Amino acid sequence: GEDVEQSLFLSVREGDSSVINCTYTDSSSTYLYWYKQEPGAGLQLLTYIFSNMDMKQDQRLTVLLNKKDKHLSLRIADTQTGDSAIYFCARRSGNTPLVFGKGTRLSVIA
Amino acid sequence: KAGVTQTPRYLIKTRGQQVTLSCSPISGHRSVSWYQQTPGQGLQFLFEYFSETQRNKGNFPGRFSGRQFSNSRSEMNVSTLELGDSALYLCASSLVTGSNEQFFGPGTRLTVL
Repeated sequence: GEDVEQSLFLSVREGDSSVINCTYTDSSSTYLYWYKQEPGAGLQLLTYIFSNMDMKQDQRLTVLLNKKDKHLSLRIADTQTGDSAIYFCARRSGNTPLVFGKGTRLSVIA
Repeated sequence: KAGVTQTPRYLIKTRGQQVTLSCSPISGHRSVSWYQQTPGQGLQFLFEYFSETQRNKGNFPGRFSGRQFSNSRSEMNVSTLELGDSALYLCASSLVTGSNEQFFGPGTRLTVL
């Protein structure tokens, strides 16, 4: 299987919470990241979490990490149409390069 | 502070040609990484430069090369272009190698005909 896996699509209604999930295989991963890509743009770093943490909150974003299951999730509260984008999960071990998932396309329905 | 800039934004080439893409990192950033993004393979790491030295290299053929200048600007070159090289090439800069905060440029969209 893939090193970092994500579901490809997610559709939510405006105002609801979105939860984007990610699983990874490398247990030596030290940092895990969430990036956002809007059409025609590069990647924007949303947040990251160190592997010895299990939760990080930043305004509307909550990251949960289950290290035992190698599962990472990103929760977006009160999802807005401007949150429509592709969300990438990525991991890193030490100083090695980022390894990305294929991305989850989030569609927000007004 | 200006972000990461990449030039050109769009490029059309034919098979067999070569291409050079440029990336100017955020002022003060000394590490530059390059990624290839395609619908099929997703985001794949090409190489990383820090202080004019290649620090990491991805699994790409030798047709893909890069360099970094003393002002931290970086270029990547692809020779003998193939149709499969059509992709969005993204550059990311950070203060140092392994930094958690990598800032991405808007990318160069390369189309090979």
